[in-house]
Amino acid sequence: DVKVTQSSRYLVKRTGEKVFLECVQDMDHENMFWYRQDPGLGLRLIYFSYDVKMKEKGDIPEGYSVSREKKERFSLILESASTNQTSMYLCASSSGHSSGANVLTFGAGSRLTVL
Amino acid sequence: GQNIDQPTEMTATEGAIVQINCTYQTSGFNGLFWYQQHAGEAPTFLSYNVLDGLEEKGRFSSFLSRSKGYSYLLLKELQMKDSASYLCAVKDSNYQLIWGAGTKLIIKP
Repeated sequence: DVKVTQSSRYLVKRTGEKVFLECVQDMDHENMFWYRQDPGLGLRLIYFSYDVKMKEKGDIPEGYSVSREKKERFSLILESASTNQTSMYLCASSSGHSSGANVLTFGAGSRLTVL
Repeated sequence: GQNIDQPTEMTATEGAIVQINCTYQTSGFNGLFWYQQHAGEAPTFLSYNVLDGLEEKGRFSSFLSRSKGYSYLLLKELQMKDSASYLCAVKDSNYQLIWGAGTKLIIKP
């Protein structure tokens, strides 16, 4: 069964802490994405990557950074967490060029609370 | 700006049929997706439409009209397990996905 695994389902952090969210996929997908999901809003893209060591900003990259050192792993980093980053974070992966019908496979999500 | 509109919540009865609408205004169009998301779980892919018309897949069907900027997801023979949020997403001219806020579907016995 293909999988996208997010390391932490629930995290509670304090304002100013550095936060790492890890995502691993076992499908040899080229493309990986980080979204945040908030009530009443559509998924918002934070960062994405089409290849190892490559990253592109999404719609809301401010306050976040990413790392993709290996094809299967895509990490989201909050350098200094703030309360407005309290959210559900979803990692996803897909294969193929973005022009195709490349279906996203999502992880179960990481719910982050920043106090 | 780009916009995807879906009803926030819908209620239907077990065994019935429900239609979830999605209207979109985007810069270009390169396909429309429907995903299902059970509470606390990952979204999972349901359907993809890039040409006008109806795509049927078991109890679920998805319709697209590009000229009207409109899609719907039709769920037949509703089961309690269909209680979930249904997310509509459109791929724009830059091949980026624009997501609707989702429709929470409540199934009653």
